[in-house]
Amino acid sequence: QVQLVESGGGVVQPGRSLRLSCAASGFTFSAYGMHWVRQAPGKGLEWVAVIWYDGSNEFYADSVKGRFTISRDNSKNTLYLQMNSLRAEDTAVYYCARARNHYDSSGYFPDVWGQGTTITVSS
Amino acid sequence: DIQMTQSPSTLSASVGDRVTITCRASQSISSWLAWYQQKPGKAPKLLISKASSLESGVPSRFSGSGSGTEFTLTISSLQPDDFATYHCQQYNSYSSYTFGQGTKLEIK
Repeated sequence: QVQLVESGGGVVQPGRSLRLSCAASGFTFSAYGMHWVRQAPGKGLEWVAVIWYDGSNEFYADSVKGRFTISRDNSKNTLYLQMNSLRAEDTAVYYCARARNHYDSSGYFPDVWGQGTTITVSS
Repeated sequence: DIQMTQSPSTLSASVGDRVTITCRASQSISSWLAWYQQKPGKAPKLLISKASSLESGVPSRFSGSGSGTEFTLTISSLQPDDFATYHCQQYNSYSSYTFGQGTKLEIK
C-alpha cells in the first residue's frame, strides 16, 4: 500500500540546522510531486514547500524561503527537507505528502500523508 | 497570497445531526479546493478534492460544494467517527498553497 514515513525530527537549538527525510513506498515515487506541510502545536496546517516529480521546480512558503530547501532522490524513493537557521516558530510536526493534480488543474493537492515527525526548536 | 477562512472555528453537534462547515477564499480559486479530516495525533486524511469530488472510500454522508470564493463541507448524518478537525486547502496555483485555520467538530 502507499506509505510515507518521515524521520529526522528532534530537539534543536535556535540557529542550528536539521534535515528531515521521507521514505516513500507502494507507488511510483518518481511520477509524483511531493509536499512538506507542518502543524505547530495546537494550530492549523501550514504548507511549507513543494517539489516537482523530477526535482525541476520547487516552491516555498514565505515563512521558510531562503532557510529551507526541499529536494528528492528518486533512485532512493526519498524526499528531504533541509532546514537551516531554525527558529522557535519552526517548532511543529512536519508531514510529507504526495502531490496529486487533476488533468485541468495547475496546482497539486496532498492526497497521501505520512505520520509526521516532530521538530522542537528550543535552547 | 490567497487567504482561506473557515467558519465556525468550533462546532458542537450530536450524532445524527446534519452539519455544514464553510470555507471562504480571499479571491477566486475556481473549484481548486480540498477538504481533509484530522483526528488528534494523526495525519490529515483527504476527503474531497476539486470542491466536490469524493475520495474513494470516503462515506457518502460527506459532500462538498461551491466554486469561486465560497465552499461548504456537509456531513448529512453525523456518526461517532466523524468528530474530528476539518481543514480546507486551496491549490489554485502550482507555486503557493494555503489551508484554512481548521474547524473542530465536537460532541454536544
